[in-house]
Amino acid sequence: ETGVTQTPRHLVMGMTNKKSLKCEQHLGHNAMYWYKQSAKKPLELMFVYSLEERVENNSVPSRFSPECPNSSHLFLHLHTLQPEDSALYLCASSQDWGGFAYEQYFGPGTRLTVT
Amino acid sequence: AQTVTQSQPEMSVQEAETVTLSCTYDTSENNYYLFWYKQPPSRQMILVIRQEAYKQQNATENRFSVNFQKAAKSFSLKISDSQLGDTAMYFCALVKNTGNQFYFGTGTSLTVIP
Repeated sequence: ETGVTQTPRHLVMGMTNKKSLKCEQHLGHNAMYWYKQSAKKPLELMFVYSLEERVENNSVPSRFSPECPNSSHLFLHLHTLQPEDSALYLCASSQDWGGFAYEQYFGPGTRLTVT
Repeated sequence: AQTVTQSQPEMSVQEAETVTLSCTYDTSENNYYLFWYKQPPSRQMILVIRQEAYKQQNATENRFSVNFQKAAKSFSLKISDSQLGDTAMYFCALVKNTGNQFYFGTGTSLTVIP
C-alpha cells in the first residue's frame, strides 16, 4: 500500500486560504491522476498527466491548479475554495496513458474540509 | 458518452456466504475494459478484477468472479465465501480502449456480518 502516497491525509482550510496537496508514486509510472470523491457520486476525474504533460482537464474550476514537476510527483494547489469542494481527493498512477486500459494504483486520499 | 450504474448503494452478507454486486454500463465503444475496485474503510482503493470486453470467458480471481454479459451491458461481481475483510465500497469502472480514462459507478457499500 505504499506505492502511491498522499500528504496531508486530512486538511481543514478556510475559503480564503491557499494550500497544496501532494502525491508521490514509487512505481515508475508515467501517468498520474487527480480524482474528487464525494459521497453517493461517481469518482470525478479532474486532471491527468502523462510524462509530465497535462492530457486531460475535465472542466475543473480554476481554483484548483495542478502541477506535475516530474513523473513521480503531482500537486494540487488550492485557493479560494468553496464549501462544496469538501471531499476526498484521490491521486492515482498508471504505467502509461493511452492505447490500453492500464490498472490505476490509488493513494489513500486527502480528506479536505472547507469551512 | 460512457456511463456506469450501480443500483445497490448498500448490501450485506453473512460471513462465508456468497454475494453478487450488480453493475450495468452504457458505451458505444466495441473495445473496452471493465474493472471492479475495492475501497476498504479508510484504506486505499485496490483492483479486484478486470475483464476485457473482447473476451467471452468470465474473469476469476480466487474468490472473486464476474458475470459479463456484453449484449446486456452487465458486469456483476460475485464474492464467494465472504470474509470480514471483504467489507468495503466496491466500484465498477469502464475504460475505453483509447486513453486510460476510467468511468466509475457510484459504488456499493458491502458489509460482511460475522
